[in-house]
Order: sequence, then structure tokens, then C-alpha cells
Amino acid sequence: ETGVTQSPTHLIKTRGQQVTLRCSSQSGHNTVSWYQQALGQGPQFIFQYYREEENGRGNFPPRFSGLQFPNYSSELNVNALELDDSALYLCASSLAKGQGRHGELFFGEGSRLTVL
Amino acid sequence: AQKVTQAQTEISVVEKEDVTLDCVYETRDTTYYLFWYKQPPSGELVFLIRRNSFDEQNEISGRYSWNFQKSTSSFNFTITASQVVDSAVYFCALSQDTGRRALTFGSGTRLQVQP
Repeated sequence: ETGVTQSPTHLIKTRGQQVTLRCSSQSGHNTVSWYQQALGQGPQFIFQYYREEENGRGNFPPRFSGLQFPNYSSELNVNALELDDSALYLCASSLAKGQGRHGELFFGEGSRLTVL
Repeated sequence: AQKVTQAQTEISVVEKEDVTLDCVYETRDTTYYLFWYKQPPSGELVFLIRRNSFDEQNEISGRYSWNFQKSTSSFNFTITASQVVDSAVYFCALSQDTGRRALTFGSGTRLQVQP
């Protein structure tokens, strides 16, 4: 069984730039969620994708956007980067409601973004 | 609005000691789920347990046990006979019973187990 993989693992950007982070979900999982974890904090929900559509969003501005592909892999795009966007971005895959255990998310190791 | 509070920022114990990690939550929902996740230095969060709001039975899994008390809105986690491998950041989380499976996490408790 293939776990959740994310790329890149680390990257450095400057303010105003754009970034794309990628995630391959665990085999058989059709739902992908993205979380932002600032240093010393708990993860915060950004959004979730199911069947290639956004299926819920946290308190993040529109410059945070995403995609889910037919193979359930996903991308997180952040435009106009700000210093406060520096964080660990975690991707989690799961099965949709009714298909698996609620809340049992399988996380990748994250992409650590530093914005200078 | 939902909120999870983990008041203990960091705990340090010596191997074989028992340790309890506290979690207090707030929600207006009558049906909800509570979780504990472990985050080792590698970064990925590892699912430990899920408990729904209607099931207040305590649970034991090996050296791990969980105490859910709805009356005090607490869901505490105890590690018995701690080991160095238990060193990690532990997160308590809360989720509504909706189609969107968003978790609200606490700020985490860093546990250091010294040999």
C-alpha cells in the first residue's frame, strides 16, 4: 500500500512569488485535504477536495487554491506569497463520508515553505 | 465555532514514568468526533484514536489509554511506562459529523521522554 507522498520537501521563495505543492494520496483514497502548520502550532484546515471539486474550505484567502486530478492526486497553489505563509504544508488523504472511518486521515510528511 | 485547548506546551519525563496529556474542547454540536494524532520529528501526523461523542467508554490500547469525559469536555491521553520512542508532539483534534472531514487541532503538547 503506497502512503501519502508530498513534493517538494523543502523550498524557499520570496514575497510576491507563487508556489505549487504536490501530493499523491494513499492508494484507494478519493479525498484530499490540505493543512497549514505554522511553527509551534497545530495544523489548520485549508481546504478539501473530493471528486476533483473543492468540498469545504477553512479561513484562508482566495490566493490559496487547489486542484484534484482524476487519479486523486492534488496540488496546492499559493499566489502572492507573504512572510506569514512560511509553514509546513501537510496533505492528508482519506475515504469519503460513509466509505471509511471519519477523521482517520493519512498524512504525508509535508512541504516546508520558507518565504523570505 | 469549535476550539481545542492543549494547555501543556511541553512535558518532560523519564523513561518508565506515566504521563497524561490534557485536552479540553468546545463545540456546540451534539454529534462530533475527537481524535489524537502523534507527530514524530519526520513531520507526518499519525492517527492514534477516534472517539465519537456518544461513546464515553474509556479505551486502552497497549500502553495508551484515553479518558473521555463529556461533562468536563475533556479527552485526555495517558501513556503508561513511557519510552523514548514516545517522544513526539501530540495533537488533540475535533471534527463535526458532516461530509467535510475538517479537523480542528489543538496547539499540541511536545513530549520528551528521557532515557
